[in-house]
Amino acid sequence: GQSLEQPSEVTAVEGAIVQINCTYQTSGFYGLSWYQQHDGGAPTFLSYNALDGLEETGRFSSFLSRSDSYGYLLLQELQMKDSASYFCAVANQAGTALIFGKGTTLSVSS
Amino acid sequence: DTAVSQTPKYLVTQMGNDKSIKCEQNLGHDTMYWYKQDSKKFLKIMFSYNNKELIINETVPNRFSPKSPDKAHLNLHINSLELGDSAVYFCASSQVLEADEQYFGPGTRLTVT
Repeated sequence: GQSLEQPSEVTAVEGAIVQINCTYQTSGFYGLSWYQQHDGGAPTFLSYNALDGLEETGRFSSFLSRSDSYGYLLLQELQMKDSASYFCAVANQAGTALIFGKGTTLSVSS
Repeated sequence: DTAVSQTPKYLVTQMGNDKSIKCEQNLGHDTMYWYKQDSKKFLKIMFSYNNKELIINETVPNRFSPKSPDKAHLNLHINSLELGDSAVYFCASSQVLEADEQYFGPGTRLTVT
């Protein structure tokens, strides 16, 4: 089956850089996704890595190492609005649904 | 225009009742999903439908019955509600079945008393 591990909480201050790690164990691997969810809101898609390396989208970057079964989400120039839960996710073995990690709650303070 | 919409947003009901949640997407996507998010924010797939066909039925009690009248709609009916069914239920859609980019609805917070 698929399983993912990520830290439960991360705290940082405005303007800082934070890295949220995710390790996974899968039977079959297609890629690693990241989602953001604000309190009371819906998960929203941030990024997807199918190949090794770093993908950059504005202040957010996502990295994947398939050989290490490891990825991370890097958030730069943190803002208060980045306070949210961040989930990594992989597809199930058949590729027909996403399996989510338990989420990392990021708290950004001023 | 809301891409994925759900009704109702809040649902409070008593144990033993039957309730339905409706979901609609206007993105033209082929695949729709139901997820359950518990109080610890654990997000778990329940069902996925592709072109109105049930693809995944995770270990969900048969009190939960999804129905997809067309590609744009996926409803969830729950019979004999139990306290443990209290959660936020999210509908989502994706362009194709294997897509990792999913669009989530705003969620329905179900409280069973």
